[in-house]
Amino acid sequence: SQTIHQWPATLVQPVGSPLSLECTVEGTSNPNLYWYRQAAGRGLQLLFYSVGIGQISSEVPQNLSASRPQDRQFILSSKKLLLSDSGFYLCAWSVPGGTEAFFGQGTRLTVV
Amino acid sequence: QKEVEQNSGPLSVPEGAIASLNCTYSDRVSQSFFWYRQYSGKSPELIMSIYSNGDKEDGRFTAQLNKASQYVSLLIRDSQPSDSATYLCAVNDNYGQNFVFGPGTRLSVLP
Repeated sequence: SQTIHQWPATLVQPVGSPLSLECTVEGTSNPNLYWYRQAAGRGLQLLFYSVGIGQISSEVPQNLSASRPQDRQFILSSKKLLLSDSGFYLCAWSVPGGTEAFFGQGTRLTVV
Repeated sequence: QKEVEQNSGPLSVPEGAIASLNCTYSDRVSQSFFWYRQYSGKSPELIMSIYSNGDKEDGRFTAQLNKASQYVSLLIRDSQPSDSATYLCAVNDNYGQNFVFGPGTRLSVLP
């Protein structure tokens, strides 16, 4: 069966520090991968999605970036965090073709 | 810009009642529709998917889709306090590249 791992679960970082969140999927090949952010009490904002290695599409311009160095690995990064980057970051995967997306446990990021 | 709209709620229903959650979407090419449940502080979990017009039932849950009206709904029968959560509507197109979520409706089932 397929599983998705996302870490860390919680993170407190100072303003201006770098960020690296990692997500890996097991049990499937060539998944679509997504990064979402959810601000407190708000909906899910699609940040990046990827349909293959090295293929990244950005939905929202910001100081975040994403990379997909391997088929089942998706990384969210920032060189310098802002206070507004605080939120609940969720990685998700789906089989190509418009089927369901499944989420990792999420990372709660607090920038102080 | 694809948009998915939901009533933010909160929607309060008594235990045992039917909860009705509604969602509209703007992109006519959307082909796949999903309902997720999100408990506070947790990640969303899929509860229903629907791909064709009409009703789809799974236990206490029924999803309804009307593509002509660009409308999808979720009915929860015999609502339980454990159903209290935020319900997210999501739509995707056939290519699986555009997966857009609505803002969610907070449901509260009162004992």
